[in-house]
Amino acid sequence: SQQGEEDPQALSIQEGENATMNCSYKTSINNLQWYRQNSGRGLVHLILIRSNEREKHSGRLRVTLDTSKKSSSLLITASRAADTASYFCATVQINTDKLIFGTGTRLQVFP
Amino acid sequence: DAGITQSPRYKITETGRQVTLMCHQTWSHSYMFWYRQDLGHGLRLIYYSAAADITDKGEVPDGYVVSRSKTENFPLTLESATRSQTSVYFCASSDQINSPLHFGNGTRLTVT
Repeated sequence: SQQGEEDPQALSIQEGENATMNCSYKTSINNLQWYRQNSGRGLVHLILIRSNEREKHSGRLRVTLDTSKKSSSLLITASRAADTASYFCATVQINTDKLIFGTGTRLQVFP
Repeated sequence: DAGITQSPRYKITETGRQVTLMCHQTWSHSYMFWYRQDLGHGLRLIYYSAAADITDKGEVPDGYVVSRSKTENFPLTLESATRSQTSVYFCASSDQINSPLHFGNGTRLTVT
C-alpha cells in the first residue's frame, strides 16, 4: 500500500481563492516533499519540509507538517489559473532510501 | 543540455515481448528512480539505485529488471510485457536521498 494519501482527490476553485491540500502518511519520515504535475509532464519539486520543521513558506506556498498526526498540508494562496495541476506529497521513510508518493490531488482553478 | 531524458516518449508493444525504457541524466546524480503512474494509484516506485551497480526494489518490482553500469544511465526492462504494465513510466534522479527529485517527461507504454 502507498505511504501517502492526499485529500481531497479533486478540488475546484475560482482564481484568487486559496487552495488547501492535505497529505497523510503511515510511517516515520526524514522529510516530506510536495510536487506538482502538469498534464502529460513530469513532476516538478515545489517544497521540502524536514521532520523537525513545522511550517515552511515559498512564495504563495505554505506547507505545514504535524509528525504526531503523520500529516501535512499544502496551502496555495491567491490561486491562479496557471496553478491548475495535480499535486503530490512524497515521503522518505526513516532508514530507507525510498521516496514514496501519495495518490495526488487534482486542482482546477477557474479564471 | 543538462537534464534528465527518457526514451522513447511513446512505445507500443505486444504481450510477451521484451522492452527497454531508457533514462539518462547529465548531473552525475547518485540516486535514480523508476516510477509508474496509473490512474487511481498515483506514482508507485518500481526500482531505485543509490549509485552505479547498486539497485534495490521499490513497491512494485515484479516483472521489471534494472541495471546501472554507469552513473548516468538507468534502463528499465520489461522482460515479458503484460497488459497490466501499460502505464506511464517516469525516471527521476537526485544527488542525495533527502534532496528533491528531478523528473524526466515520461514514457507512455502501451502493451497490446
